[in-house]
Amino acid sequence: DEEVLESGGGLVQPGGSLRLSCAASGFTFTSAIVSWVRQAPGKGLEWVSAFSGKTGGTYYVDSVKGRFTISRDNSKTTLYMQMNSLRVEDTAVYYCAKDLAVWGQGTLVTVSS
Amino acid sequence: DVVMTQSPLSLSVTLGQPASISCKSSQSLVYTDGNTYLNWFQQRPGQSPRRLFFKISNRDSGVPDRFSGSGSGTDFTLKITRVEAEDVGVYYCMQGTHWPQTFGQGTKVEIK
Repeated sequence: DEEVLESGGGLVQPGGSLRLSCAASGFTFTSAIVSWVRQAPGKGLEWVSAFSGKTGGTYYVDSVKGRFTISRDNSKTTLYMQMNSLRVEDTAVYYCAKDLAVWGQGTLVTVSS
Repeated sequence: DVVMTQSPLSLSVTLGQPASISCKSSQSLVYTDGNTYLNWFQQRPGQSPRRLFFKISNRDSGVPDRFSGSGSGTDFTLKITRVEAEDVGVYYCMQGTHWPQTFGQGTKVEIK
């Protein structure tokens, strides 16, 4: 069975950084599109970013461009999202999803002083 | 960005009765390859989202056939023929045709 597992969330002060990981099980990211989707407390889903395993292309919502960066490890089984200059409004559960079909359980990022 | 507008935002349904959710996009979701990348997701309370349909009407594995997806262009609909207790949750449409990809606001389905 294919699974993804997110990790790396936590409490960080405004302006700080975190690196989220999305680990694949049962597949590699070689040909998949992996998306990051977040959900602020009590709110709806917001698409944040995506990585195309086929092209290596990366895509971001405007509110995180220049602050968040996706990268992939050489084994092609772990995807990272480096989050810099974090803001209070970035507080959310961050989900990783493979082809929007396989979702993880999410990791909570809290940005607060 | 493409704006996805769902209606209603809340739905209270009697068990066994039908339910319908509308999703309208601010521009056509037909991609240059001829496909329409419109997805529907279900999020049950306390759970991660689960995709129900991709490309409008392609049902994901394990999705009961009481669910159906339809539509074209800018207008899409998710229907449940007979609502069951396990259908309680929030339903989202999402377009994958244009970057950035965007979700609708969500429709909360509860049992009356």
